[in-house]
Amino acid sequence: KQEVTQIPAALSVPEGENLVLNCSFTDSAIYNLQWFRQDPGKGLTSLLLIQSSQREQTSGRLNASLDKSSGRSTLYIAASQPGDSATYLCAVLPGANSKLTFGKGITLSVRP
Amino acid sequence: NAGVTQTPKFQVLKTGQSMTLQCAQDMNHNSMYWYRQDPGMGLRLIYYSASEGTTDKGEVPNGYNVSRLNKREFSLRLESAAPSQTSVYFCASSATGASSGANVLTFGAGSRLTVL
Repeated sequence: KQEVTQIPAALSVPEGENLVLNCSFTDSAIYNLQWFRQDPGKGLTSLLLIQSSQREQTSGRLNASLDKSSGRSTLYIAASQPGDSATYLCAVLPGANSKLTFGKGITLSVRP
Repeated sequence: NAGVTQTPKFQVLKTGQSMTLQCAQDMNHNSMYWYRQDPGMGLRLIYYSASEGTTDKGEVPNGYNVSRLNKREFSLRLESAAPSQTSVYFCASSATGASSGANVLTFGAGSRLTVL
């Protein structure tokens, strides 16, 4: 059974810092990996999707990488801002017609 | 551009009462999902519907029923609510196939349910 782990559960950094959020998964046979953002009291918003054949995806200040062989993905946030404060979840899709397995998320606080 | 709309946003029930959470999407997505989110447990899949007319159990289906009314709508029913069903419920949808947007979930804003 695929398990997705995100450690630490919470992170606090000063504004302007570059940071890396980690995600690990137990089964390297995945179809894709997705990163989501969740603001307090809101639903999840998709940030980046990395197909199994890809190594990374970029969107603005966000860069997500995927290393299937080691079962790891990282979300890199450049020049963090207070508006980046949210919970970031990663999710793994084992196969094209299977269902996402979510990590429990990392709650990020960016201090002004 | 409504995306995924859930109603109600908040609901308080007494143990044993029934209710239905409604979900509708306007993106012509084939697949729809119901998740619950609890502190320390993360997101857990309750039921999903890969296409109109089909539904399947997820990780935690007990105590719930679903109906895929048409391609747009997917409802979640609690027949006899229990305090353990106090949670935030999210509906989501996704396209299927080989397009670049396939399998990307779009979530609703959530429905916060309290069972006393």
